[in-house]
Amino acid sequence: DTAVSQTPKYLVTQMGNDKSIKCEQNLGHDTMYWYKQDSKKFLKIMFSYNNKELIINETVPNRFSPKSPDKAHLNLHINSLELGDSAVYFCASSQGRGSNYGYTFGSGTRLTVV
Amino acid sequence: DQQVKQNSPSLSVQEGRISILNCDYTNSMFDYFLWYKKYPAEGPTFLISISSIKDKNEDGRFTVFLNKSAKHLSLHIVPSQPGDSAVYFCAASRSGGGADGLTFGKGTHLIIQP
Repeated sequence: DTAVSQTPKYLVTQMGNDKSIKCEQNLGHDTMYWYKQDSKKFLKIMFSYNNKELIINETVPNRFSPKSPDKAHLNLHINSLELGDSAVYFCASSQGRGSNYGYTFGSGTRLTVV
Repeated sequence: DQQVKQNSPSLSVQEGRISILNCDYTNSMFDYFLWYKKYPAEGPTFLISISSIKDKNEDGRFTVFLNKSAKHLSLHIVPSQPGDSAVYFCAASRSGGGADGLTFGKGTHLIIQP
């Protein structure tokens, strides 16, 4: 029973395509996040979503859009993929918005844009 | 602009000895600090945390020390075990978190040698 599950684990796609990464958590957490780990290995927050409130990191291009059908899911949709979008994307969840609560991460989705 | 720095990309320690991983931060607004451990092809897993009102927190073999005046924290693992071989990420946050989420360092690859 994976607490935070992401699909797919690997995604290879061509430039210009639109793709989605799905994330589901079964922890009953009320806040979900998307993080990106780039080629320099930095983990950076992209979005946080709590109680239908979306907070976006201002550096994230608007080609990226999170979609939350319910509290347990936060999917990431990416339009017009670019080479620079290649990275590992991690979904995470926490109880409460404050980072004082432990984050639980998914195992990541490695996106390769060719 | 690296607000959380882990200056050692890798660290090699003999089994049974103490492992000391270091982390420096620049943002004085950070008041909560966490360490995450990551195995290949898995998401980061929470290890231990410390609030800025404390200077030490201990959990079994893991101890985190915080020196606020130096903006420095360290993770001590003693005794080190082969299963401790992983990448360790230092992370920091401000109270209330939310949009800012966690700010991560680049990680230190700890290798425990038999």
